[in-house]
Amino acid sequence: EAGVAQSPRYKIIEKRQSVAFWCNPISGHATLYWYQQILGQGPKLLIQFQNNGVVDDSQLPKDRFSAERLKGVDSTLKIQPAKLEDSAVYLCASSSPSGTHSYNEQFFGPGTRLTVL
Amino acid sequence: GQNIDQPTEMTATEGAIVQINCTYQTSGFNGLFWYQQHAGEAPTFLSYNVLDGLEEKGRFSSFLSRSKGYSYLLLKELQMKDSASYLCAVYLTGGFKTIFGAGTRLFVKA
Repeated sequence: EAGVAQSPRYKIIEKRQSVAFWCNPISGHATLYWYQQILGQGPKLLIQFQNNGVVDDSQLPKDRFSAERLKGVDSTLKIQPAKLEDSAVYLCASSSPSGTHSYNEQFFGPGTRLTVL
Repeated sequence: GQNIDQPTEMTATEGAIVQINCTYQTSGFNGLFWYQQHAGEAPTFLSYNVLDGLEEKGRFSSFLSRSKGYSYLLLKELQMKDSASYLCAVYLTGGFKTIFGAGTRLFVKA
């Protein structure tokens, strides 16, 4: 079974530029998450999709961040314009609450390491 | 509010046993995850506890006390490859949402 795919793996941009990250979840997983992980901290949820609908985006800085999950499969996270404090690893994860487990184990992609100069 | 506390760093010796503690205060609790994260890599699932007590899985065990808002991860027969961050995460009721602690960085020395 293929895992969660993310691209690019690394990105370096200047502040005020724009950047976009892509995620393709595990096939059949209805729930998709975008996390921001700053060095030395745990993952912080930015947005959670259930199919193509948003479940939780309470911690997404909506003045500069946007995300979409068209057709309920892959997803794109965009930052426009970027700030220095956006330097972090952006992790995508997916889960299948209706899967074999009663709990909601999340499967993470390799992440995109963003550096804003 | 939601709060998860775990020690920032721990150091242990190869072959030894280490216990990583986690306390939480959350509004709504379904269960508790432990994830392992090697430097520069994505978190990977270790365990999930929903009932009180100890769950053993090979060299790793996880304990939960719901009444005390407390969990620990026990690692036995430590190996160098166990050097990683260990993330405690609470699975909240409703909405399939999980919140993560800051993680405990474990250093295993020879």
